Amino acid sequence: QKEVEQNSGPLSVPEGAIASLNCTYSDRGSQSFFWYRQYSGKSPELIMSIYSNGDKEDGRFTAQLNKASQYVSLLIRDSQPSDSATYLCAVNLPSGGSYIPTFGRGTSLIVHP
Amino acid sequence: DAGVTQSPTHLIKTRGQHVTLRCSPISGHKSVSWYQQVLGQGPQFIFQYYEKEERGRGNFPDRFSARQFPNYSSELNVNALLLGDSALYLCASSLGTRDEKLFFGSGTQLSVL
Repeated sequence: QKEVEQNSGPLSVPEGAIASLNCTYSDRGSQSFFWYRQYSGKSPELIMSIYSNGDKEDGRFTAQLNKASQYVSLLIRDSQPSDSATYLCAVNLPSGGSYIPTFGRGTSLIVHP
Repeated sequence: DAGVTQSPTHLIKTRGQHVTLRCSPISGHKSVSWYQQVLGQGPQFIFQYYEKEERGRGNFPDRFSARQFPNYSSELNVNALLLGDSALYLCASSLGTRDEKLFFGSGTQLSVL
């Protein structure tokens, strides 16, 4: 089983719709969870972090965490064509006293006008 | 404030050669992580350094090595290059190694011919 799993997509949504991106992870000892956005040809940039169960909202973005079910999700409300990118889920996996940020393969999101 | 800087931006090498990639973290950040990203995949963890000590190593062969200097900058070295080493190499800095967010440089695109 892969440590961090994401559906590669592409996920296609119309402009103005809600995009829902999902991620599951294998290690119950994980404490920190992140969503990064990566535009084609660019490096990843952090958009959300979440550390406790429940929802965390930041503008049009909402991160959701359920540690019992070992999943993290990202909702993008009022999706815009500029949101078209690959969204990477990252989980800090415990490893020998340290924590290693481990990424999923990413989900490609396409927002069409 | 300057972000994470990586050099060079692009590099072309032939099989069997050696390469050194460099990274300067954000001022105040003491941790540097290296990732390899091939097209269509998420970043794969190679190394993590904190306060000049290796804190984590991913599933890469011994041809890959790294170090961190007293000023917290870092080098990634790859010996005996293979065609499969062609990828985008990303450096990320963070304050520490536990719950901190990663800030990525623009990456070094390595092509091995």
